[in-house]
Amino acid sequence: AQSVTQLGSHVSVSEGALVLLRCNYSSSVPPYLFWYVQYPNQGLQLLLKYTTGATLVKGINGFEAEFKKSETSFHLTKPSAHMSDAAEYFCAVSRGNRDDKIIFGKGTRLHILP
Amino acid sequence: GAGVSQSPSNKVTEKGKDVELRCDPISGHTALYWYRQSLGQGLEFLIYFQGNSAPDKSGLPSDRFSAERTGGSVSTLTIQRTQQEDSAVYLCASSLPRNEQFFGPGTRLTVL
Repeated sequence: AQSVTQLGSHVSVSEGALVLLRCNYSSSVPPYLFWYVQYPNQGLQLLLKYTTGATLVKGINGFEAEFKKSETSFHLTKPSAHMSDAAEYFCAVSRGNRDDKIIFGKGTRLHILP
Repeated sequence: GAGVSQSPSNKVTEKGKDVELRCDPISGHTALYWYRQSLGQGLEFLIYFQGNSAPDKSGLPSDRFSAERTGGSVSTLTIQRTQQEDSAVYLCASSLPRNEQFFGPGTRLTVL
């Protein structure tokens, strides 16, 4: 069965600093990978996704993630944090088979320090 | 509407009462999920419907929880004999197979 591990339930970075949110997955077959964001008092929305093809995926609001098969990772990065990036971020994985459900990690809350 | 809708948006009930939460997925989406999100917690998977396949009920926390999906579209999550620990935001999401999920705004359930 597939699973997702997000390292760090809380991450704090200074405004303007690099954002790195870690996600590792386990899957016996090539996965589909997703990052979702939940801003305070709002619903979840998709940031970016990897299915096939280019391993570096760009998403909204300047975020990107790189699929590294050898490391079973899909870390989320942003070169320069902005105060508006403060939110909860969820990594998710699907095995990519038609009937497989998407599994979510427990989430990482990102705090931006002024 | 174009998105996933859920009703009611808020529900306050007394301990021991039954509640029904409704989800209208995006038209044509064959996959439908229910999650629970408690204050400050992550997403807790509850149940997954995919087309005509038997639903994956592995996340339902007790036999007080049940869900159905009629005609492959609208879904209802029922909680019987509600307890205070059932208080949470219940989220519904739908998707095409293997594609990203689209989430509804959630139903905030408060059990007094």
